[in-house]
Amino acid sequence: QVQLQESGPGLVKPSETLSLTCTVSGGSIRNYYWSWIRQSPGKGLEWIGYIYYSGGTNYNPSLKSRFTISVDTSKNQFSLKLSSVTAADTAVYYCARELASSGYDAFDIWGQGTVVTVSS
Amino acid sequence: SSELTQDPAVSVALGQTVRITCQGDSLRNYDASWYQQKPGQAPLLVIYGKNNRPSGIPDRFSGSSSGNTASLTITGAQAEDEADYHCNSRASSGNHYVFATGTKVTVL
Repeated sequence: QVQLQESGPGLVKPSETLSLTCTVSGGSIRNYYWSWIRQSPGKGLEWIGYIYYSGGTNYNPSLKSRFTISVDTSKNQFSLKLSSVTAADTAVYYCARELASSGYDAFDIWGQGTVVTVSS
Repeated sequence: SSELTQDPAVSVALGQTVRITCQGDSLRNYDASWYQQKPGQAPLLVIYGKNNRPSGIPDRFSGSSSGNTASLTITGAQAEDEADYHCNSRASSGNHYVFATGTKVTVL
């Protein structure tokens, strides 16, 4: 079955750029929307944005435009970049597959999550 | 303030029924999805669409909606159902997604 695995540094310094990658295994990245979602310590989930396998993107307008999501279909991966990080960006970052291409607004497969701490 | 709101916590006796609600204007136009999250784990989709369960989700989980309120019902709650439950849908604008803050369910 399809599995997602996030990878990236666990510690980032303030003002630097965070880069995370989600690798899709057991299935193709094609024909789906793929999202990044984060969860700050002790808080709820926050949708960051999605990318369609062909490259179209959509981001949460409530977040400042510091996020960039990209896709590499040849590697079956999609990525997240967050610039100018602050302590407020400390969170568990999840990648997830959307069912939007099947007509449903839901995230049916999630990665295990990767903990990102912003600290000097 | 969040576009979707949930009660912070609810408790249910073992084997009894509990309903978790999610309120928001966007729910008048868009379906909610529900996720179960246990400590240290990623969220798990339990209900999507009008009332669809992914493969492997027990049929004691069901979803419903009326007006601006979506509900997740656990009929015959089990000890393993103790978790946080998150509601998700589109924002009122329809062009992005929002999550509510979650409800902690305690099984007594």
